[in-house]
Amino acid sequence: ETGVTQSPTHLIKTRGQQVTLRCSSQSGHNTVSWYQQALGQGPQFIFQYYREEENGRGNFPPRFSGLQFPNYSSELNVNALELDDSALYLCASSVTGNKETQYFGPGTRLLVL
Amino acid sequence: QQQVKQSPQSLIVQKGGISIINCAYENTAFDYFPWYQQFPGKGPALLIAIRPDVSEKKEGRFTISFNKSAKQFSLHIMDSQPGDSATYFCAARPSGTYKYIFGTGTRLKVLA
Repeated sequence: ETGVTQSPTHLIKTRGQQVTLRCSSQSGHNTVSWYQQALGQGPQFIFQYYREEENGRGNFPPRFSGLQFPNYSSELNVNALELDDSALYLCASSVTGNKETQYFGPGTRLLVL
Repeated sequence: QQQVKQSPQSLIVQKGGISIINCAYENTAFDYFPWYQQFPGKGPALLIAIRPDVSEKKEGRFTISFNKSAKQFSLHIMDSQPGDSATYFCAARPSGTYKYIFGTGTRLKVLA
């Protein structure tokens, strides 16, 4: 068990709405990455946070934004939801000094109608 | 564009057999190649990983073979078991970053 938790587990929204997904990283992990996994596809990197600052971003528009808090937990915010945003959103945390090993949470499945 | 191509899309193996999943990449600026296992309803879990200066790495029943000149790497699962039935993803990390580029996944089913 990796200790990375995400909430909620499932979410249904309508197009145009905004959504906030949450992640609690494993104790001692100060780096958090977010990925989007569409059905039948591999995860795609959204962005990474380290010490409360964005530390790298994938090919996602600015309506995807995030936060990292002093306790290293994190939020992913998506504004103006589109149908194609329907996916499993994964959070991964890594430990200081070993950022290569990313521990994934179970994900939040988002459905946009 | 940085891509990782994974094959096959699905694989059925008899219990005790060898499962082989292949990945190929185009960009040479990758420096870390992990394999992840994902069960339904769960997040991906790291299985085994390799760096490009090593041609093979073995951990238990899992082996990564890496061919730097061909830009290919593969996962071999020896003595496959029904409990190995899951989706497997290869990934590659661009040098100087902490993000992973994932393949499209291989759904493995091991028959009892």
